[in-house]
Amino acid sequence: EIVLTQSPATLSLSPGERATLSCRASQSVTTYLAWYQQKPGQAPRLLISDASNRATGIPGRFSGSGSGTDFTLTISSLEPEDFAVYYCKQRSDWPRTFGQGTKVEMK
Amino acid sequence: EVQLLESGGGLVQPGGSLRLSCAASGFTFSIYAMSWVRQAPGEGLEWVSTVTADGNITYYADSVKGRFTISRDNSKNTLSLQITSLTTEDTAVYFCARHDYSGCYDFWGQGILVTVSS
Repeated sequence: EIVLTQSPATLSLSPGERATLSCRASQSVTTYLAWYQQKPGQAPRLLISDASNRATGIPGRFSGSGSGTDFTLTISSLEPEDFAVYYCKQRSDWPRTFGQGTKVEMK
Repeated sequence: EVQLLESGGGLVQPGGSLRLSCAASGFTFSIYAMSWVRQAPGEGLEWVSTVTADGNITYYADSVKGRFTISRDNSKNTLSLQITSLTTEDTAVYFCARHDYSGCYDFWGQGILVTVSS
């Protein structure tokens, strides 16, 4: 099973600041990695597919990068609605696995 | 508008069974793979099961293999998850999700709560 480790667990930032979230895979997933955002009481929302492709309707301040085992989600300038939990997920192999999440909280 | 609406959750005793359903609308259901993902209270996301668009191939997490069965009825635009031999570890919100062309989950239902307790 491919283990995805996200860091940090919590990121305390202010609106307007840059957020950098990390996801490390226990083995290569090439670029088969996605990022999801989840707000309390809501279903997750797809942000980024295949490491760097923004999903439909996702603002340009969200960007993804990486390949192999190391991936990054960057939010260039945090908006109030961006404070949420972010998960990475791989589709390179079965079983599909998610990271444990990074909570972006308001400082 | 794409909509996924789960139903069938509730309180069940350990060892019991439930059948979850996901009613799909607003898209051609029969051409999309579908999955179930769950989230225990206060915890992260866990992939549970996937079925291909034609229903012929299924995949399961080890934690549910042999106890859960995913299926679909393309004539009724419905995805199902039969869950049996429930334990307290299965208590979670269960989401159904549609796969996009790359296999990512581009649309999700609102989730349905399954509580396993005596």
